[in-house]
Amino acid sequence: GNSVTQMEGPVTLSEEAFLTINCTYTATGYPSLFWYVQYPGEGLQLLLKATKADDKGSNKGFEATYRKETTSFHLEKGSVQVSDSAVYFCALSESEAGGTSYGKLTFGQGTILTVHP
Amino acid sequence: EAQVTQNPRYLITVTGKKLTVTCSQNMNHEYMSWYRQDPGLGLRQIYYSMNVEVTDKGDVPEGYKVSRKEKRNFPLILESPSPNQTSLYFCASSLKGGRTYTQYFGPGTRLTVL
Repeated sequence: GNSVTQMEGPVTLSEEAFLTINCTYTATGYPSLFWYVQYPGEGLQLLLKATKADDKGSNKGFEATYRKETTSFHLEKGSVQVSDSAVYFCALSESEAGGTSYGKLTFGQGTILTVHP
Repeated sequence: EAQVTQNPRYLITVTGKKLTVTCSQNMNHEYMSWYRQDPGLGLRQIYYSMNVEVTDKGDVPEGYKVSRKEKRNFPLILESPSPNQTSLYFCASSLKGGRTYTQYFGPGTRLTVL
């Protein structure tokens, strides 16, 4: 079955530091890949996504590139801010109409990021 | 404002007392689903619905029921809650269920079963 593995957290950084959160996946077919962010006390928000190999998703200074050869979708940001403190989830969707995984997002376990001033 | 709403946001109950968590979306989405979030496990899908009157099991359906009588609503029913159902629950919706469609999540319902 499908699975997503994220780097262990929590991650603690100083403001303006470089961020990388690793994400690798296992899928039987050709998934779309997502990063969701969960701010304290809130639901999940889509941060970025990529639907085919070599696509780069980007939003709010975050980037991730769909690497089919290494089955990875690492999240990066050049200079983090205190307001980026949140839980980050990598996820994939490999749904086919009528299939058992239709519409399902498979999530990693989440990485807690704390940014200090 | 386009959104997914859930009620209640917080609930403490006792073992065996039936409860319903409501979910509603105002985006005319066909696809809706429920997830539970547990520490170290990420989110796991409980049930999903491709459209009105069409529902199916996700990865962890035991102990839960759902219904989809209207397009906008997708309630989650726990007929006899147990402590292992203590969790954070999220409802999500998307235009369709295909791999490229973005799912939009509600704010979550934190359930404690004593």
